[in-house]
Amino acid sequence: EVQLVESGGGLVQPGRSLKLSCAASGFTFSNYYMAWVRQAPKKGLEWVATISTSGSRTYYPDSVKGRFTISRDNAKSSLYLQMNSLKSEDTATYYCARQLGDWFAYWGQGTLVTVSS
Amino acid sequence: DIVMTQSPFSLAVSEGEMVTINCKSSQSLLSSGNQKNYLAWYQQKPGQSPKLLIYYASTRQSGVPDRFIGSGSGTDFTLTISDVQAEDLADYYCLQHYSYPYTFGAGTKLELK
Repeated sequence: EVQLVESGGGLVQPGRSLKLSCAASGFTFSNYYMAWVRQAPKKGLEWVATISTSGSRTYYPDSVKGRFTISRDNAKSSLYLQMNSLKSEDTATYYCARQLGDWFAYWGQGTLVTVSS
Repeated sequence: DIVMTQSPFSLAVSEGEMVTINCKSSQSLLSSGNQKNYLAWYQQKPGQSPKLLIYYASTRQSGVPDRFIGSGSGTDFTLTISDVQAEDLADYYCLQHYSYPYTFGAGTKLELK
């Protein structure tokens, strides 16, 4: 069974940094592209980042490009999201997702990030 | 960026009814290489993470009931739920995965009448 468990969320001040983690199990992690998708409170879904199987290719929307960095450790079956220069509009639940093809096939339960002073 | 326009914003239905949710993309999602439409549908129940229902516009994910039907091509897509059950009450989102940045529709809330 595919399992994705996010951690690392919490309350952080604007301008500060936070690193999210996602522990994967139940599949061969190194065979799949992985992604982060977020959802602001009571709002819709927004794709945040995608990383290739080896980690050599990464993709971001303009809203986070230059501030967020996605990475992975295939030996540990783990995905990460380093978030710098956080803004109030980054407040959201962040989901780790396993891609199949180009779509998000499996999702974790999410971790809440609140950016506030 | 490809803009996904989803309608309606909300829908009130009775059990047993059929509902239709629409999604329109600002550019074609049809790949000339494999003739597949790069459009997926998700269901999100309250307090839960999204669940994949449909990919390539019309292919049901394993385990998804056959009352969920995806259709459409190019720029116009539809998710039809026949014989709505109480367990189908949720938010529904379309996603274009044709090109980066991937973009979602704004969502449709399905409620009980």
